[in-house]
Amino acid sequence: GDSVTQMEGPVTLSEEAFLTINCTYTATGYPSLFWYVQYPGEGLQLLLKATKADDKGSNKGFEATYRKETTSFHLEKGSVQVSDSAVYFCALSEGQNFVFGPGTRLSVLP
Amino acid sequence: DSGVTQTPKHLITATGQRVTLRCSPRSGDLSVYWYQQSLDQGLQFLIQYYNGEERAKGNILERFSAQQFPDLHSELNLSSLELGDSALYFCASSVEWRVTSTDTQYFGPGTRLTVL
Repeated sequence: GDSVTQMEGPVTLSEEAFLTINCTYTATGYPSLFWYVQYPGEGLQLLLKATKADDKGSNKGFEATYRKETTSFHLEKGSVQVSDSAVYFCALSEGQNFVFGPGTRLSVLP
Repeated sequence: DSGVTQTPKHLITATGQRVTLRCSPRSGDLSVYWYQQSLDQGLQFLIQYYNGEERAKGNILERFSAQQFPDLHSELNLSSLELGDSALYFCASSVEWRVTSTDTQYFGPGTRLTVL
């Protein structure tokens, strides 16, 4: 079945550091891919998405490119801020099947 | 604010009891999804309703049930509660029955259930 794998956390970075959170997926067809963010005490918020190969999703300085050849959707940000501290979930959707990765906790220190 | 509302925000109850969680989707959204988020299981899809009909079923226990009403709000019923049912329960909504290039799921703030 479909599955999503994310790099193990927690990830701790200093402010203005470069961020990469790896995400790879397994799917039978051509899923849509998503990154969601969950701030402390809140629900999940859609951060960005890509619906076909080579699409790049971007929002709030975060980017991820749908790489079909490597079945990956890595999240990147050039310069993180303390306010980016949260849990990040990679997810895929194929038809009516929606699968989330385990989440990666990011802590950004001032 | 995603536009999805969930009540109550917190719920504390005892083992063996039954509770009902409520979700109101965004205006115009026909699809409602329920998820359970626990520390050891991560985010698990439970069930989806679309325009009043059950559309997809995930890892939902037989002790749990859900329904979507004509006004499109949804309720998740959890019965014979066990300690392991303690978790955050999220509702999400979308326009379509499946994710498309122009649509996705929007999550509510969640209901934190504690079973003592």
